[in-house]
Amino acid sequence: GAVVSQHPSWVICKSGTSVKIECRSLDFQATTMFWYRQFPKQSLMLMATSNEGSKATYEQGVEKDKFLINHASLTLSTLTVTSAHPEDSSFYICSAPWGGGSNEQFFGPGTRLTVL
Amino acid sequence: DAKTTQPNSMESNEEEPVHLPCNHSTISGTDYIHWYRQLPSQGPEYVIHGLTSNVNNRMASLAIAEDRKSSTLILHRATLRDAAVYYCILRRGGGNSGNTPLVFGKGTRLSVIA
Repeated sequence: GAVVSQHPSWVICKSGTSVKIECRSLDFQATTMFWYRQFPKQSLMLMATSNEGSKATYEQGVEKDKFLINHASLTLSTLTVTSAHPEDSSFYICSAPWGGGSNEQFFGPGTRLTVL
Repeated sequence: DAKTTQPNSMESNEEEPVHLPCNHSTISGTDYIHWYRQLPSQGPEYVIHGLTSNVNNRMASLAIAEDRKSSTLILHRATLRDAAVYYCILRRGGGNSGNTPLVFGKGTRLSVIA
């Protein structure tokens, strides 16, 4: 199946710093990617839809100025957590839909962010 | 997207079949039933999906009720590696539906006992 990678797999940063997370579709092109956040023992929550060549669409309650999304190419979307705080510590997961008429989505392995 | 209801947790013995139920009484005619699972500390992975007929693949089988208001994911022989949270998700089909996000509920946490 198709592969989606994320980098880094984990990151620890100090409060107030910014962290960039990359999501890549390795063997297919994705004009759309999705970013989710997952807190411990909870389900995945959709944060935003990343669109190649246009602005991201954010879910209600997600601060677009804090979570900057850039879909630079057909295989890369980045999520930058700006001025991170301890409450931003979470597991961030991206996904990309597989084209060709399939409804299947492929998820990255996730990035665990810990803000001290 | 219509809502799904799943048990919070289930337990199975290794090597035995597991039936994971999902209720979706408000399903619409164009909703596909998708199952994904999430192993610990990993992103979700696709398991199976269907519309009306039962489906089989190398990972599992999906049994869909005739009225489509419920479905059951069947793992034929549970292994320790099947321990995960299983999510039943409805997704509208047709058109550009592939570019819509999946909306996750709480899922069922499956424990497999050796």
